[in-house]
Amino acid sequence: QKEVEQDPGPLSVPEGAIVSLNCTYSNSAFQYFMWYRQYSRKGPELLMYTYSSGNKEDGRFTAQVDKSSKYISLFIRDSQPSDSATYLCAMTDSGTYKYIFGTGTRLKVLA
Amino acid sequence: DTAVSQTPKYLVTQMGNDKSIKCEQNLGHDTMYWYKQDSKKFLKIMFSYNNKELIINETVPNRFSPKSPDKAHLNLHINSLELGDSAVYFCASSRAGGSGNTIYFGEGSWLTVV
Repeated sequence: QKEVEQDPGPLSVPEGAIVSLNCTYSNSAFQYFMWYRQYSRKGPELLMYTYSSGNKEDGRFTAQVDKSSKYISLFIRDSQPSDSATYLCAMTDSGTYKYIFGTGTRLKVLA
Repeated sequence: DTAVSQTPKYLVTQMGNDKSIKCEQNLGHDTMYWYKQDSKKFLKIMFSYNNKELIINETVPNRFSPKSPDKAHLNLHINSLELGDSAVYFCASSRAGGSGNTIYFGEGSWLTVV
């Protein structure tokens, strides 16, 4: 079993839809959770960062962490064609330099 | 100003050749990384350096050798290239690892071995 599981998609939604992206993980020591967005032929860029459990909102993006279920989510409201990209979750714990990434979910928002 | 820059962006080379990818960060970070991304977009850590000291050395063939001349630079040298080495290699940096600090990635180097 991989440490982090993420549905690769692709996920196609119409413009304006609410998108839900998810990752599950097995290592209960993970405390820091990140979402990265990667456009084609580009490097991953940080979208959201959350420490421990709870919600964090930034504009149209909301990150949720449920440590009891070992489940994290990224919600995108009012999705736009410019949101079309691959979304990668990442996580780590304190005391390690290793960040474990999910395989990424490819999202297409149709105009 | 690009925060993490790596060169070259594209590299096509023949099997058996030796090649290097260079990386520089101007963020003042202490920790630098090399990640490999395969065709399925899976990002896997290869190496990590903290203040020029090797911290992470994953199960990578010893044909791959990182070198950190100073904490702002981390280069990757690959000997005797094989077809399976074709991938995208990302350099990244963060403030001191081990504290959940955010990783910042470069734009990637697309390596194709023919």
